[in-house]
Amino acid sequence: GDSVTQMEGPVTLSEEAFLTINCTYTATGYPSLFWYVQYPGEGLQLLLKATKADDKGSNKGFEATYRKETTSFHLEKGSVQVSDSAVYFCALSPLSSNDYKLSFGAGTTVTVRA
Amino acid sequence: NAGVTQTPKFQVLKTGQSMTLQCAQDMNHEYMSWYRQDPGMGLRLIHYSVGAGITDQGEVPNGYNVSRSTTEDFPLRLLSAAPSQTSVYFCASRKEQGTNEKLFFGSGTQLSVL
Repeated sequence: GDSVTQMEGPVTLSEEAFLTINCTYTATGYPSLFWYVQYPGEGLQLLLKATKADDKGSNKGFEATYRKETTSFHLEKGSVQVSDSAVYFCALSPLSSNDYKLSFGAGTTVTVRA
Repeated sequence: NAGVTQTPKFQVLKTGQSMTLQCAQDMNHEYMSWYRQDPGMGLRLIHYSVGAGITDQGEVPNGYNVSRSTTEDFPLRLLSAAPSQTSVYFCASRKEQGTNEKLFFGSGTQLSVL
């Protein structure tokens, strides 16, 4: 079945450092790909998405490119801030528009120190 | 501007007790769902509903019941709590069943079963 694999955390960085969180997926066809973020004490919220190959999603300085050839959707940010400390989830939605299922990765905890 | 509201935020149960986790949304969303979040496992779908009167099982439905009598409410019932149900529970909704649009999450219920 469809699945998502994320790099294990936790990740600890200093402010202004470069952040990369790896995400690879297994799916048939061309699924939609998402990054969700969970700030402390809150529910998940959508950070960015890409719905077809070579699309780049971006938001709040974060970017991720849908790479069909490597089945990857790595999240990057060039200069992190303390406020980026959160848990990041990669997620996949199947090709079928009638499928309810959103598959999540295990999550990567990121801590940014001042 | 309430969005998805979950109650309670915290709950401690003894093994064998029953309880209901409440979820309500005020966005007229057709699709509602319950996830549990466990360390290292990401989010797993418990049950979902694509409209009032319609529910179905997700990945991990055992030990949980749901009902959808109104568009707004989607309660999750634990019939006889077990320690394996210790987790953080999230309710999520979106406008339609199978779209690429984002899920709106509640802030979660942290449940401990002793």
